[in-house]
Amino acid sequence: NAGVTQTPKFRVLKTGQSMTLLCAQDMNHEYMYWYRQDPGMGLRLIHYSVGEGTTAKGEVPDGYNVSRLKKQNFLLGLESAAPSQTSVYFCASSYSVQNTEAFFGQGTRLTVV
Amino acid sequence: AQSVAQPEDQVNVAEGNPLTVKCTYSVSGNPYLFWYVQYPNRGLQFLLKYITGDNLVKGSYGFEAEFNKSQTSFHLKKPSALVSDSALYFCAVRDMGGNNRLAFGKGNQVVVIP
Repeated sequence: NAGVTQTPKFRVLKTGQSMTLLCAQDMNHEYMYWYRQDPGMGLRLIHYSVGEGTTAKGEVPDGYNVSRLKKQNFLLGLESAAPSQTSVYFCASSYSVQNTEAFFGQGTRLTVV
Repeated sequence: AQSVAQPEDQVNVAEGNPLTVKCTYSVSGNPYLFWYVQYPNRGLQFLLKYITGDNLVKGSYGFEAEFNKSQTSFHLKKPSALVSDSALYFCAVRDMGGNNRLAFGKGNQVVVIP
């Protein structure tokens, strides 16, 4: 049981380049989330999804896009990377019952130069 | 929208002493509350949660938390801290009647001094 798997684990991008972060979960969870973690800022929600084919904006959605074409996958895209997007990105998933805890991936460390 | 405040940046405690990490929350309805721990270069691990019922919730590794509705708080506690408890601790909240968002605080670094 792999849980939540994020790909890649590390990446360095040049300003203006694009990339996609992949999150895959094998727990049949309905809800999936993308967060970014920055020193002193905690975890801030970028986008989330409450089911296959649905997405919604979180606190800091600008500069990011997401897709949930399959229930087990949640993709985070950066169309034109900026240095301000240097961060550690975490994906999480949970069941659709609101009182259930979320499970987190190991994180993707992204540096934009 | 729901939010969480963790007022202290760092909590220092001597090994064997009680540990408390503070959390206050804001929601429009009733809250579901969670505590997570993060070790260096790792993802977040779930510790415990409050759903309803007993205000004192017990979780993993000897941690517990007390829900106080009047003070809108959910402080994490451990009676006797271990050096291995040194980590980053996050409080999180979902609004029971809300938008399915899971909102986190900024985290507290706990340092247990041998």
